Amino acid sequence: EAQVTQNPRYLITVTGKKLTVTCSQNMNHEYMSWYRQDPGLGLRQIYYSMNVEVTDKGDVPEGYKVSRKEKRNFPLILESPSPNQTSLYFCASSLPTGGTDTQYFGPGTRLTVL
Amino acid sequence: RKEVEQDPGPFNVPEGATVAFNCTYSNSASQSFFWYRQDCRKEPKLLMSVYSSGNEDGRFTAQLNRASQYISLLIRDSKLSDSATYLCVVNTDKLIFGTGTRLQVFP
Repeated sequence: EAQVTQNPRYLITVTGKKLTVTCSQNMNHEYMSWYRQDPGLGLRQIYYSMNVEVTDKGDVPEGYKVSRKEKRNFPLILESPSPNQTSLYFCASSLPTGGTDTQYFGPGTRLTVL
Repeated sequence: RKEVEQDPGPFNVPEGATVAFNCTYSNSASQSFFWYRQDCRKEPKLLMSVYSSGNEDGRFTAQLNRASQYISLLIRDSKLSDSATYLCVVNTDKLIFGTGTRLQVFP
């Protein structure tokens, strides 16, 4: 089954404790991205990757890191989480054109930073 | 002004009703347009793309008005299962998501 998986689905952590949210897709998509969704603000892109070893900042990259060592995986790293990073996070993948192709979203990770 | 604006709703309609949502966008250079559906606490999923000539998929009709910079989604014969949030998405060299319009269909 074609899908995007994320782990963990739910996470409660404390300020400053490094965490990683994993994202994996089995559709051989070149383009992957991370979004956060907050009430009243919609989905905002954090980082994206056009291919292996190619990553770029989205609209709200501060406080986040990503890596793309393999085509299927695109982990999101919070080196020192803060309460303003409490949000619902979605990973997405699509074909190379990124913007004009269907985005396939993972199930979401609900993060709470205390 | 937001790049993509939607009425947040909620739109509460009875089963069988016809309901329409509009979405306005600010960048006249926007290239492509989409409607995504998002169920509560779930991931967004593509509902349909929006073409200049308008397009229909079953009970759903999407239209684009470039002159006035808005897109619309019409749902006919609403079902309980149509209850969700509908996200307007505009591609202006990157995807811009609206905050969504919530639809609640009641029996």
